[in-house]
Amino acid sequence: AQKITQTQPGMFVQEKEAVTLDCTYDTSDPSYGLFWYKQPSSGEMIFLIYQGSYDQQNATEGRYSLNFQKARKSANLVISASQLGDSAMYFCAMREGPSNSGYALNFGKGTSLLVTP
Amino acid sequence: DTGVSQDPRHKITKRGQNVTFRCDPISEHNRLYWYRQTLGQGPEFLTYFQNEAQLEKSRLLSDRFSAERPKGSFSTLEIQRTEQGDSAMYLCASSLVASGRGSYNEQFFGPGTRLTVL
Repeated sequence: AQKITQTQPGMFVQEKEAVTLDCTYDTSDPSYGLFWYKQPSSGEMIFLIYQGSYDQQNATEGRYSLNFQKARKSANLVISASQLGDSAMYFCAMREGPSNSGYALNFGKGTSLLVTP
Repeated sequence: DTGVSQDPRHKITKRGQNVTFRCDPISEHNRLYWYRQTLGQGPEFLTYFQNEAQLEKSRLLSDRFSAERPKGSFSTLEIQRTEQGDSAMYLCASSLVASGRGSYNEQFFGPGTRLTVL
């Protein structure tokens, strides 16, 4: 069974600083995908970034980058130059295999990020 | 509007009543997923459709839960004889799984329906 662990219930960061949100995972599948989603107070899940298990380079999307350490089974999200609008819940998720749930996502418990002025 | 929409956004009901939620996916998407999110947790997968076929439903929480996608477009999630433990956010997501993109499967989420059972 797959498992996603986010050990930081809450994080604070000052505006314009960088912040790292931790995510570790456990799976026996050699092929998997890791996602980060942002959930503001409105409730909608917003896709941020994706990393495939066979990708050679760490994924980047604008101010978001994913520090993928396969041997350690970690996929930490780095947000650079934090903005007040980054305050939200952040979820790490793993894509399940196609044979059972059609690539459904298995989510961690999330990290609440608060960006302060 | 090109996003995933859900209706209603909020639903308050009394224990024992039936409720039905609707999800309209992005029009060209062939996969549709339902998730449940309880307070302080990440979303939990319930079921999914490939076009009109429901290919996985063993993760539905009980036989009181059922879902349909009759024409491969919108989907409904019904909860019969609601219980207080059913209070949660119900999220719908859609994706386009095509040749060469199946392993990526970026899912686009709707705003969710928040259910409160009194």
